Amino acid sequence: GESVGLHLPTLSVQEGDNSIINCAYSNSASDYFIWYKQESGKGPQFIIDIRSNMDKRQGQRVTVLLNKTVKHLSLQIAATQPGDSAVYFCAETETSYDKVIFGPGTSLSVIP
Amino acid sequence: DVKVTQSSRYLVKRTGEKVFLECVQDMDHENMFWYRQDPGLGLRLIYFSYDVKMKEKGDIPEGYSVSREKKERFSLILESASTNQTSMYLCASSFATVYEQYFGPGTRLTVT
Repeated sequence: GESVGLHLPTLSVQEGDNSIINCAYSNSASDYFIWYKQESGKGPQFIIDIRSNMDKRQGQRVTVLLNKTVKHLSLQIAATQPGDSAVYFCAETETSYDKVIFGPGTSLSVIP
Repeated sequence: DVKVTQSSRYLVKRTGEKVFLECVQDMDHENMFWYRQDPGLGLRLIYFSYDVKMKEKGDIPEGYSVSREKKERFSLILESASTNQTSMYLCASSFATVYEQYFGPGTRLTVT
């Protein structure tokens, strides 16, 4: 079946550097994508989303990029802070669909 | 703020026991979801519900059932717990769509 996956299971970055977390998806019909952040001991928390009619969306210190040609999604975190240490999940769905499909997650560690 | 609470953070049960996991949300959300989270597999949908007394199977419903007698409460039932049901269980709710889901802190269930 089609699924959402991540290129790397772990990522370590120096505090203050920018982080890039990547995600590959295989369902070309997916038209809505979401990034979640899960801190230790907590449930996932919505960060940012993007629709397939966009290729970039910015939030506070985060930017999501969507490349539909290669079915690739990325989350960029500017000036990474220790509080950004968490597992990040990408997720996909179709507008008419009733389920969200989550990727396996990437664990981000910030080195002080 | 939306609050999703789960009845237990940690639970240890024996094989064959009937297990109830409770989830309550306080934002009058229509949609509620149960996921299990395992390392490297991301979040997998067990069951979801769009309304009171309504339930739909997710991707891995075998060995589980659910109950939604009130809008704010969604229960996950393991009829006869098995060791392969040892996992983190996450409940989520959303308002009108499945996109922006709010998660509870999770219940880590160990079946011995």
